[in-house]
Amino acid sequence: DIQMTQSPSTLSASVGDRVTITCRASQTIGTWLAWYQQKPGKAPKLLMVDVSSLESGVPSRFSGSGSGTEFTLTISSLQPDDFATYYCQQYKSYSLTFGQGTKVEIK
Amino acid sequence: EVQLLESGGGLVHPGGSLRLSCADSRFTFSNYAMNWVRQAPGKGLEWVSAISGSGDNTYYTDSVKGRFTISRDNSKNTLYLQMNSLRAEDTAVYYCAKFPTFVASIPRGFDSWGQGTQVTVSS
Repeated sequence: DIQMTQSPSTLSASVGDRVTITCRASQTIGTWLAWYQQKPGKAPKLLMVDVSSLESGVPSRFSGSGSGTEFTLTISSLQPDDFATYYCQQYKSYSLTFGQGTKVEIK
Repeated sequence: EVQLLESGGGLVHPGGSLRLSCADSRFTFSNYAMNWVRQAPGKGLEWVSAISGSGDNTYYTDSVKGRFTISRDNSKNTLYLQMNSLRAEDTAVYYCAKFPTFVASIPRGFDSWGQGTQVTVSS
């Protein structure tokens, strides 16, 4: 299986900060990568697919980049609604796998 | 708008069985491949199983192969997960999640999720 590793595991930031989360794959996955946001007690929400294609309704302060084995999710100016846990997921091949998550908390 | 609703979770003894359901009557259910994804308490997300829109093709993570069976009844707009020989490590919130495509052979991101149903395996 393809292993996905996110860093950091926890990130403390303030409203207005630029935030970057990294996701690394154990083998090349091309651009078959999605990002999700999950808030406590809620289902995950799809933010973007194919590394950087934003889902409808997702604010433009979210962006993604990368290819192959290294990817980043960037929030350009952190907003109060953005404090949550973020997961990357590869869909190049089964078994589909997620990163372990990055919790973005208030500094 | 898609609104997936899971049911069937509960407390079961190790070795027991449970069947989860996921339904939504607001979209053309048969047009989309579906999945089950779980999340153990305080842990991350783990994909469990996928099924094509027709139900002809299924996929499983290794840890549930031979124990879990995914199926669907498109006439009832319902997805199922039959879970047998349950173990403590199967304890999790189970989400159904939709692919944006009919086929499951080319996986995608999960574009809609249910609210989840809790499965607890304990003696």
